[in-house]
Amino acid sequence: SQQGEEDPQALSIQEGENATMNCSYKTSINNLQWYRQNSGRGLVHLILIRSNEREKHSGRLRVTLDTSKKSSSLLITASRAADTASYFCATNVMNRDDKIIFGKGTRLHILP
Amino acid sequence: DAEITQSPRHKITETGRQVTLACHQTWNHNNMFWYRQDLGHGLRLIHYSYGVQDTNKGEVSDGYSVSRSNTEDLPLTLESAASSQTSVYFCASSPRDGTDTQYFGPGTRLTVL
Repeated sequence: SQQGEEDPQALSIQEGENATMNCSYKTSINNLQWYRQNSGRGLVHLILIRSNEREKHSGRLRVTLDTSKKSSSLLITASRAADTASYFCATNVMNRDDKIIFGKGTRLHILP
Repeated sequence: DAEITQSPRHKITETGRQVTLACHQTWNHNNMFWYRQDLGHGLRLIHYSYGVQDTNKGEVSDGYSVSRSNTEDLPLTLESAASSQTSVYFCASSPRDGTDTQYFGPGTRLTVL
């Protein structure tokens, strides 16, 4: 069964708009990460939020974590064409050592 | 600059052949991972290693093996390639510092005919 699941599966927005992606998970976690994958490339780490944190920022990215709802959201503000990619959440499950479990991803397409 | 590389980038092979995919990292990370990525499944963990001589099975390890003889390399071997193993394979590494951030290679696209 999938630990983390992103929603929506696909998202198309106009350039300049904000994009929001959500991730829900099932089991208590140590931390949650978001990764980006451009077409034909490997994944790139974006941001990590620990279970005792509620919000983190990095440039145009804002990540929130609600451990009571077992969910996280990734907000990309003022989207650009270069943000077109797939975005994955990955959870480090409590007591499960250094492994992380990836969701299936959200495909984001920024329209010119 | 430190990096993680995979070779080959593309491979076509026939059913039943043994195939080895290479992964080399210069981060000096203890942890290394192999994933496969298929449409509709996201990334699934095949094998992983926490250090030299340490290997562990992931969720989809059947038909695959790894060995870790040094810190830098974790080759993935398909003992007898099957069409179901047609996929894109990613290698990743992470430091053993509790942050769990993984650094990914560019991937190998494997086609088994």
